[in-house]
Amino acid sequence: NAGVTQTPKFRVLKTGQSMTLLCAQDMNHEYMYWYRQDPGMGLRLIHYSVGEGTTAKGEVPDGYNVSRLKKQNFLLGLESAAPSQTSVYFCASSSLPTDWVLMNTEAFFGQGTRLTVV
Amino acid sequence: AQTVTQSQPEMSVQEAETVTLSCTYDTSESDYYLFWYKQPPSRQMILVIRQEAYKQQNATENRFSVNFQKAAKSFSLKISDSQLGDAAMYFCAYRHNNNDMRFGAGTRLTVKP
Repeated sequence: NAGVTQTPKFRVLKTGQSMTLLCAQDMNHEYMYWYRQDPGMGLRLIHYSVGEGTTAKGEVPDGYNVSRLKKQNFLLGLESAAPSQTSVYFCASSSLPTDWVLMNTEAFFGQGTRLTVV
Repeated sequence: AQTVTQSQPEMSVQEAETVTLSCTYDTSESDYYLFWYKQPPSRQMILVIRQEAYKQQNATENRFSVNFQKAAKSFSLKISDSQLGDAAMYFCAYRHNNNDMRFGAGTRLTVKP
C-alpha cells in the first residue's frame, strides 16, 4: 500500500507565485489534514477535511486554500506565496473514530514537502 | 480550541536508561484520543502509542508506555531501556471524535551512548 503520498517533495517559489500541493491516500480515509512544521512550533494545522466535498479551517489557515473534490485527494493551494510560508508541509489522513473494524484512530502521514519561498 | 503542550523542548537520556516525556492538553470533551508520534531525521511521522480516553488502563507498546491522568489532563510517555534509535522528535497529539487533530510543539530526545 502506498498510504499517503505528497507531491512534490521539494519546491522553490518566488514571492507572489502560486502553487498547489497534492495529497493522495489509498486507505479510504474520511479525514484528511494539512499541517505545516516550523522549528520550535511543532505541527500546526492549516486546514482539514472530514469528508469529500468538505473543508474546515485549522489554526493557521490564512494564505492557504484547500479542496477535497475526491475522497482520496486533498489539495493545498498557495495563491500568492510569501517568505513566511517557507516551511515543511505534511499531509495526513485518518479513519472515522468509530471505525471499530480497523480501530485505527491515528493519522497516517505523507513524507512531507519542503517549500522555500524566496 | 483544544491545545496540546509539551513543556520540554529537549530531553537527554543515557542509553539503556529510562526517560519520561511530558504532555498536557486542554479540552472540555470526555471522549477523545491521545497519541505519541516519533519523527526521526528522515521526517517520517511514526505512531508510537495511542490511548483512548475512555480506557482507564495505560497503554503499553514494548518499551513504550504512557501515564494517562485524565483528571489532570496529562499524558506522559515513558521510554524504558532507551536505545540509540529512539533519538528523534516526539510529538504528543490529541483528537476528539468529530474534530481535527492537534499536536504539541515537540520534544527533541537525545540518546547518549
